[in-house]
Amino acid sequence: AQSVTQLDSQVPVFEEAPVELRCNYSSSVSVYLFWYVQYPNQGLQLLLKYLSGSTLVKGINGFEAEFNKSQTSFHLRKPSVHISDTAEYFCAVSSDTGGGNKLTFGTGTQLKVEL
Amino acid sequence: GAGVSQSPSNKVTEKGKDVELRCDPISGHTALYWYRQSLGQGLEFLIYFQGNSAPDKSGLPSDRFSAERTGGSVSTLTIQRTQQEDSAVYLCASSSLGSYNEQFFGPGTRLTVL
Repeated sequence: AQSVTQLDSQVPVFEEAPVELRCNYSSSVSVYLFWYVQYPNQGLQLLLKYLSGSTLVKGINGFEAEFNKSQTSFHLRKPSVHISDTAEYFCAVSSDTGGGNKLTFGTGTQLKVEL
Repeated sequence: GAGVSQSPSNKVTEKGKDVELRCDPISGHTALYWYRQSLGQGLEFLIYFQGNSAPDKSGLPSDRFSAERTGGSVSTLTIQRTQQEDSAVYLCASSSLGSYNEQFFGPGTRLTVL
């Protein structure tokens, strides 16, 4: 079984400040890791994904994440946030166990960017 | 091209009624997933279809829930004898063949059971 923990339910930050959204996972097999963003009343949009290779992954809208196997973490970062980044962010994990890559999601982090 | 579409966008029903939710995946995508997003449970996997293989129903919460996928394209999620705890946003996603390909999500159907 696999699980995802997002410890911060809400993160307030001022515009142009840096932000880090934390994600830790648990799995007994190799995993694929994802960050999705959900704007109000919309579906989920993929920000970035880690499949293999370089542990630093760059995504859309200036976001990046670093895979740390020893700490089982995949924290999301952005050096300077914008008002438009206000949304809910979900970390997710899947694994290649022959049953399709169904996603296991964390509980989400609400990022609120303030002026 | 068109993304994943879902209908209806909102559905209000009375307890005990049956409901059907529809998902149109991206053309050519062989994998289709249903997830449920609720305040109490977060985002949960419900069911997965891949081509002509038997679906993975391991996430369905009870036998009141069922889903089918006709012709390898459109999918319908059916909830029988709805309960108030079924109130949630039901999200559909599709992806192309491959164990790690990106899942593209639809806008969801918000189900409210009175």
